[in-house]
Amino acid sequence: ILNVEQSPQSLHVQEGDSTNFTCSFPSSNFYALHWYRWETAKSPEALFVMTLNGDEKKKGRISATLNTKEGYSYLYIKGSQPEDSATYLCAPWLNAGNMLTFGGGTRLMVKP
Amino acid sequence: ETGVTQSPTHLIKTRGQQVTLRCSSQSGHNTVSWYQQALGQGPQFIFQYYREEENGRGNFPPRFSGLQFPNYSSELNVNALELDDSALYLCASRFGGGETQYFGPGTRLLVL
Repeated sequence: ILNVEQSPQSLHVQEGDSTNFTCSFPSSNFYALHWYRWETAKSPEALFVMTLNGDEKKKGRISATLNTKEGYSYLYIKGSQPEDSATYLCAPWLNAGNMLTFGGGTRLMVKP
Repeated sequence: ETGVTQSPTHLIKTRGQQVTLRCSSQSGHNTVSWYQQALGQGPQFIFQYYREEENGRGNFPPRFSGLQFPNYSSELNVNALELDDSALYLCASRFGGGETQYFGPGTRLLVL
């Protein structure tokens, strides 16, 4: 069983604050890392698929970095807005298995 | 919108019964995966189908089975339901060689 950890489990911030979350995963047999945003009562939405060590991806105010050698990824949100409130999930895809293994997620709540 | 739909949205069954959940993928997506999300946890991989054949399975017993059809729809069947099977069941589809998965909104199953 792969150990994928996300921290913090939950986060409350004020509108306008910048924030970041961590995803830790086994570094061996790495193939790709997926980040998803999951709003309540909706489908999980793909944010990024990252494959290369040192990779950085950006989508609007959200960005992510990847370190495959030490097995972690950071997700950053600049100037959080209430519509950013969601659960953010990371999931590595390892060569040893034909599947994504999800972490428990970070639940972000942004107060207006 | 991800273009992936699931039915039904909610379902109540009793212990020992059998259930079939359905997923309709985007046209052209020849790979579908099913996940179980228990309360407070990240989605757990059940199995994956590629061109109507199972080609990956997580740590779930044989009473969880599936089918994939040529029209990009698929089913998850669970026999002999147990109370612990109560969860949200998600399907996700992708192009066989691609990486981004597109999730449906899920079916919430309650076993009494």
